[in-house]
This record gives sequence, C-alpha cells and structure tokens, in this order.
Amino acid sequence: GAVVSQHPSRVICKSGTSVKIECRSLDFQATTMFWYRQFPKQSLMLMATSNEGSKATYEQGVEKDKFLINHASLTLSTLTVTSAHPEDSSFYICSAGAGVIYNEQFFGPGTRLTVL
Amino acid sequence: GQQVMQIPQYQHVQEGEDFTTYCNSSTTLSNIQWYKQRPGGHPVFLIQLVKSGEVKKQKRLTFQFGEAKKNSSLHITATQTTDVGTYFCAGREGAQKLVFGQGTRLTINP
Repeated sequence: GAVVSQHPSRVICKSGTSVKIECRSLDFQATTMFWYRQFPKQSLMLMATSNEGSKATYEQGVEKDKFLINHASLTLSTLTVTSAHPEDSSFYICSAGAGVIYNEQFFGPGTRLTVL
Repeated sequence: GQQVMQIPQYQHVQEGEDFTTYCNSSTTLSNIQWYKQRPGGHPVFLIQLVKSGEVKKQKRLTFQFGEAKKNSSLHITATQTTDVGTYFCAGREGAQKLVFGQGTRLTINP
C-alpha cells in the first residue's frame, strides 16, 4: 500500500512555543490530507481537511489560528501548533487519500507532542 | 451530525476464543472502513465495505455491512496474540469525511 511519512515522530516543547509537523505521501500524490488528533485510549478526532492549493477546512471547535495547516504540494501538508500549551499534548496523525473519494486512507505513523 | 457508535469499548478474551465488535451509524452510510491500531502505532486499513449486506473475509476476520448500510461488524475467529490492538470502524456518508467509531480495544490472554 501507499506510504505516508510524518515528521517528527516525537516532540517535547516548552509552553508557548510553536511546533511544525510534516506529513508526506511518499509514493503517490495526495490531493487531500487529513489531520487527526488522538488522546490516549480514545478515538481519532478529525481536526481539519487539507486540500492542495486551497485553504484547509476545519472541524467545528478547532481553532484555525492555533492549528495552521498548509498543503503546499501534492505530497506535503504541514500542521503548525502555535503557542502550544500542555492541553495541546496529544498524538497527531495525518492521513492521505489518493484520487477517488471512496478509497482507503493511508495513515502516517503519528507525532506525539508533549508540551511542558 | 453523523455519529458512529462502536461497542464494546473493551474486550478481553482467551487466546483461541472468538471476538466481535459492532458499529452503528446514526445515518445511512455510503461505505464503511475498518482499521486496526496496534498499541503505540497508527491505524492501518483493513477493509472497505460498500454494498448493502456485503460480507468479506480476510483469513480469520469476517466483515459484514448491514442491509440498511447503517451497521457493520468485525468478527475474528480463534483469536491469536497478534490480533491485539484497537479496532476502529469508520463510516462515510455520501462524499463526506470519514467518521471514526470509538474503537474496541482487544486484549488477549495467551
């Protein structure tokens, strides 16, 4: 299957700093990428849908100014957590879909963010 | 909005026993997908069901999509320790985004 990479895999930062997470589709072009957040032992909560060349679509309750998403190319989307606080600590996972709407999503390995 | 409920939340079985997780949607789905997430890992796609009443098998795993396309199940026969993980269903309504169920965490006593 298709491969999606995510970087970094783990980050620890101080409160107030910004953290950028990269999501790359390695062997296919992803017109759409999705960003999820997963708290321990909980389900995946969709944060936003990232479309190449256009603004991201954010889910209700997700602050677009706090979670900046950029989908600059068909293989790269970035999520920047601005002015991170301890409550932003979570597992952030991206996924990418290729082409047809009803296909599977390929998930990246996730980024575990810890804000001190 | 669309909701996807999944039960049970946890299931502990003896190795060799069967396991089933159920998924119910508040709305009719265009398709449903199943994912497995190992502890510390990321979700991995297992299968997609599209047709009403569809049944698909992958070795010891049997996936069903209800006639009304509002529910689905995953059944594992004779569980093995490698089956440990959390199983998520994810439903899609029309061309909308995937909505994930809460997941069923499976643990196995060897």
